[in-house]
Amino acid sequence: AQTVTQSQPEMSVQEAETVTLSCTYDTSESDYYLFWYKQPPSRQMILVIRQEAYKQQNATENRFSVNFQKAAKSFSLKISDSQLGDAAMYFCAYRHTGNQFYFGTGTSLTVIP
Amino acid sequence: DAEITQSPRHKITETGRQVTLACHQTWNHNNMFWYRQDLGHGLRLIHYSYGVQDTNKGEVSDGYSVSRSNTEDLPLTLESAASSQTSVYFCASSESGDQPQHFGDGTRLSIL
Repeated sequence: AQTVTQSQPEMSVQEAETVTLSCTYDTSESDYYLFWYKQPPSRQMILVIRQEAYKQQNATENRFSVNFQKAAKSFSLKISDSQLGDAAMYFCAYRHTGNQFYFGTGTSLTVIP
Repeated sequence: DAEITQSPRHKITETGRQVTLACHQTWNHNNMFWYRQDLGHGLRLIHYSYGVQDTNKGEVSDGYSVSRSNTEDLPLTLESAASSQTSVYFCASSESGDQPQHFGDGTRLSIL
């Protein structure tokens, strides 16, 4: 079974600084998709960014970017110019060409003013 | 705009009661999922459905059931609620391929 590991239960970052959240996954598939979701205190699950495994170029969405290392099965999220509104729980998720998603246990990000 | 709606938002009930959580999506997605979220466990899959009349067990399905009679709805039933089922429950839907899951706002269920 696929597993997704987020080894950092908690992280903190100074406002305006950069932080990187780690995610590794285990799979024997060659074609799959990876996602980062943000869950603020409101409890909503918000899609932050996605990456297709067949694309070598790292995905970016404004201040959010990923470092996708397929051989190492690593998918880290970099948040640049951190803002107070970035404080949330962040979940990494894996999806292969079937329809199931597998989620990590989450990283709680605190932004320090 | 398309959306996915869960109800109720909060519920308190007693052990042994039957409880049903509603999930309704207007995305017209074939795939629907139920998760529970507990501290330290992330999101764990309870049941999922790939279409009408299709249901499948997930990682933590014991004590739960679902039915899919139409595309829009996937209600989750706790047959006899137990205190261990106190949790936050999320419903999600998705299309196939590279599409992400869309989530409801969650139901906080407390079983006393």
